[in-house]
Amino acid sequence: AQKITQTQPGMFVQEKEAVTLDCTYDTSDQSYGLFWYKQPSSGEMIFLIYQGSYDEQNATEGRYSLNFQKARKSANLVISASQLGDSAMYFCAMREGWSVGGFKTIFGAGTRLFVKA
Amino acid sequence: DTAVSQTPKYLVTQMGNDKSIKCEQNLGHDTMYWYKQDSKKFLKIMFSYNNKELIINETVPNRFSPKSPDKAHLNLHINSLELGDSAVYFCASSQGVALAKNIQYFGAGTRLSVL
Repeated sequence: AQKITQTQPGMFVQEKEAVTLDCTYDTSDQSYGLFWYKQPSSGEMIFLIYQGSYDEQNATEGRYSLNFQKARKSANLVISASQLGDSAMYFCAMREGWSVGGFKTIFGAGTRLFVKA
Repeated sequence: DTAVSQTPKYLVTQMGNDKSIKCEQNLGHDTMYWYKQDSKKFLKIMFSYNNKELIINETVPNRFSPKSPDKAHLNLHINSLELGDSAVYFCASSQGVALAKNIQYFGAGTRLSVL
């Protein structure tokens, strides 16, 4: 069964607008972490943002924020004021607590974001 | 200074050969990882070491053997390369294995092409 689901294979957004990339996850554990990574066309993987399952506030890092809805098991990434350099592949990932998933981080299939000038 | 560096960046080789990919991190992290990214961009964990001890060993062929001589290094040796091994291999490191310390920092990737 898919543990991380990213339903949008590709997304377009106009420069300077905000965009939401969807991510839903599946776990029976109470303790887990959620991550977003960016992979530009150059190929490197860049960490963007982290949300712990017990964190009460939604995580924010500059123009990135994570819309964490625990009951719905969703962890959407919001990018505000999109820039051309945001065009990339975005991966949602989850690390379950030791009791369930061990130490593995599971990645979603990714969403390719295109920012239009 | 590059935090997680892996070499080589590109590796083109013939089927049946043996090759190694090296990885070094200068972040002082305790945990290191190898991932494989296939042609559809799907990223999957292969191995992980914490303080030089193997903690994740996914179902990969035993032609793949990781080696961690110290906390800062995790190398990947591949024997008898096959066409299906063609992929991008990423090394990563994290502070530790606790959730909040599990933010992983990746190397630039090694694109392996087996002909």
